[in-house]
Amino acid sequence: DAGVIQSPRHEVTEMGQEVTLRCKPISGHDYLFWYRQTMMRGLELLIYFNNNVPIDDSGMPEDRFSAKMPNASFSTLKIQPSEPRDSAVYFCASSWGDKAFFGQGTRLTVV
Amino acid sequence: RKEVEQDPGPFNVPEGATVAFNCTYSNSASQSFFWYRQDCRKEPKLLMSVYSSGNEDGRFTAQLNRASQYISLLIRDSKLSDSATYLCVVNVNTGRRALTFGSGTRLQVQP
Repeated sequence: DAGVIQSPRHEVTEMGQEVTLRCKPISGHDYLFWYRQTMMRGLELLIYFNNNVPIDDSGMPEDRFSAKMPNASFSTLKIQPSEPRDSAVYFCASSWGDKAFFGQGTRLTVV
Repeated sequence: RKEVEQDPGPFNVPEGATVAFNCTYSNSASQSFFWYRQDCRKEPKLLMSVYSSGNEDGRFTAQLNRASQYISLLIRDSKLSDSATYLCVVNVNTGRRALTFGSGTRLQVQP
């Protein structure tokens, strides 16, 4: 298995633009998580899905953030409009059972 | 109070040294415990699970103290390649499946 696949690996965008991050979880995993990592706040859970259904989105910082999982093999995290304070590394992870496996992350820079 | 707390370090140790990290968690209902390792600019990767009876994997030993709500990781005969950030991770299985991460302890092993 190729593991969790995220795209793009790097994204630089201007403030106000829409940003879409993509994730393909490991086949057969029933949970998918979106995390954000910054130096100041560490790893923060944004939202997670179970069998494609959003379970807990309490970590989504504000209405500018939205996430979807239209099927078991694909999820998106969208930021619209983006702001400089959204600059971070965004990780997608999937799990079956307790152990979670992470993608390589998307490094987002909003200028 | 943070749900999972770790000393950020850095711990600077010579090759061959033994080093130990501790982590405390606030929710006594926490069910599962892990140590993840994160290299610079990489994704977190599962290092080992932590079981109530304690467990060992080569040079790494993990222990759990439920009464005091702390987890430890011991690394013996440290190698240069052990240099990384070690993340303490807790899963509170009360209907919420997501992992909660500590902010990590940075280890630098020096020649």
